[in-house]
Amino acid sequence: KAGVTQTPRYLIKTRGQQVTLSCSPISGHRSVSWYQQTPGQGLQFLFEYFSETQRNKGNFPGRFSGRQFSNSRSEMNVSTLELGDSALYLCASSLEGGKQPQHFGDGTRLSIL
Amino acid sequence: AQSVTQLGSHVSVSEGALVLLRCNYSSSVPPYLFWYVQYPNQGLQLLLKYTTGATLVKGINGFEAEFKKSETSFHLTKPSAHMSDAAEYFCAVSKPFNNDMRFGAGTRLTVKP
Repeated sequence: KAGVTQTPRYLIKTRGQQVTLSCSPISGHRSVSWYQQTPGQGLQFLFEYFSETQRNKGNFPGRFSGRQFSNSRSEMNVSTLELGDSALYLCASSLEGGKQPQHFGDGTRLSIL
Repeated sequence: AQSVTQLGSHVSVSEGALVLLRCNYSSSVPPYLFWYVQYPNQGLQLLLKYTTGATLVKGINGFEAEFKKSETSFHLTKPSAHMSDAAEYFCAVSKPFNNDMRFGAGTRLTVKP
């Protein structure tokens, strides 16, 4: 069974640009969550999508947005990039919320110049 | 609100020695608790989880953790460390049926030969 796939693995952007990251969950998983990992702030929850609807949201500015498609694939968009957005962005999928654990992809490393 | 404190950002043990990684949580409701491991340039891999039921939870690679409500702790242990255990370990907490996980700052485990 294929795991969570995130593309691209590495991305370099400049300040002010926007970026879209993609996540394909494990087959059959309907919940997709996004996390930001930085050395300073650690792992922080961005948002969760379930059945194409945002179900939970962390404490990030509106520049961070996401969506989920009918096949459960999800995209995350960051607009007007700032230097502080440099991070590893991790996607996790699960069957639903709750007891089923979240399975993580290997992440997209975003560097802002 | 949920939060996790991991005591010790770095832990060093000798190969064959006991591994003990400490995690204390704060939660307004009965928590779901998790331990994840992260190897360099990879995502997070679930080691074990506690939701309800037996308080001693066994996970992969010989790890186990015990949920102690009275101490609000969920420490991770392994009787005998192996070189391949060297990685970063994260404790996380969530509300039941909620994928908004709150992570600790992580503990980097070093295993000396």
